[in-house]
Amino acid sequence: AQRVTQPEKLLSVFKGAPVELKCNYSYSGSPELFWYVQYSRQRLQLLLRHISRESIKGFTADLNKGETSFHLKKPFAQEEDSAMYYCALSRGGGATNKLIFGTGTLLAVQP
Amino acid sequence: GAVVSQHPSRVICKSGTSVKIECRSLDFQATTMFWYRQFPKKSLMLMATSNEGSKATYEQGVEKDKFLINHASLTLSTLTVTSAHPEDSSFYICSARDTYGRSSYNEQFFGPGTRLTVL
Repeated sequence: AQRVTQPEKLLSVFKGAPVELKCNYSYSGSPELFWYVQYSRQRLQLLLRHISRESIKGFTADLNKGETSFHLKKPFAQEEDSAMYYCALSRGGGATNKLIFGTGTLLAVQP
Repeated sequence: GAVVSQHPSRVICKSGTSVKIECRSLDFQATTMFWYRQFPKKSLMLMATSNEGSKATYEQGVEKDKFLINHASLTLSTLTVTSAHPEDSSFYICSARDTYGRSSYNEQFFGPGTRLTVL
């Protein structure tokens, strides 16, 4: 079964500390993985996707197929990074591609 | 660009009535939209895939007759919760893919959500 697991409901760090939000997945095919972010009182928005191998707002995420993980990392957290982060797996193909979300991790960056 | 709106943002209704929620892509066309449900402190659960000009595809366990979906144009999908009950109270979120442009790598653009409370 396809599943996305985010083991931490809450991650609290101090400003300037490194951040790692964990995400593990189970999927029988070749996965497409995403991180979505939801800032306070805002809608869900795409942060980054594994296929583009990009760094957005200082965040990176590497797909590790051996460990079936897609952890989100940032070397130095900022207060404005405080938000809800969702890891998502894309299944299916073409236009009807569907997303399976993890339960989310609330990142709280303390001053 | 790539904005998705939902209306209403919040609705309270009596048990047994029906409620319609609209999802619109404001500056792009979307042959495919998705409807999610989010419970408090829980993840988003995909309910159905809305396909323009054809029937919606429902996820396992989602009642088709309970949650009616209509996608009559390339910019509008509606979700109607029929004969609503208190257990239908939830946060409903839609998303859309930009059919002809910006959804590279299958990106979905999300609406702000609709809070439904059934008394």
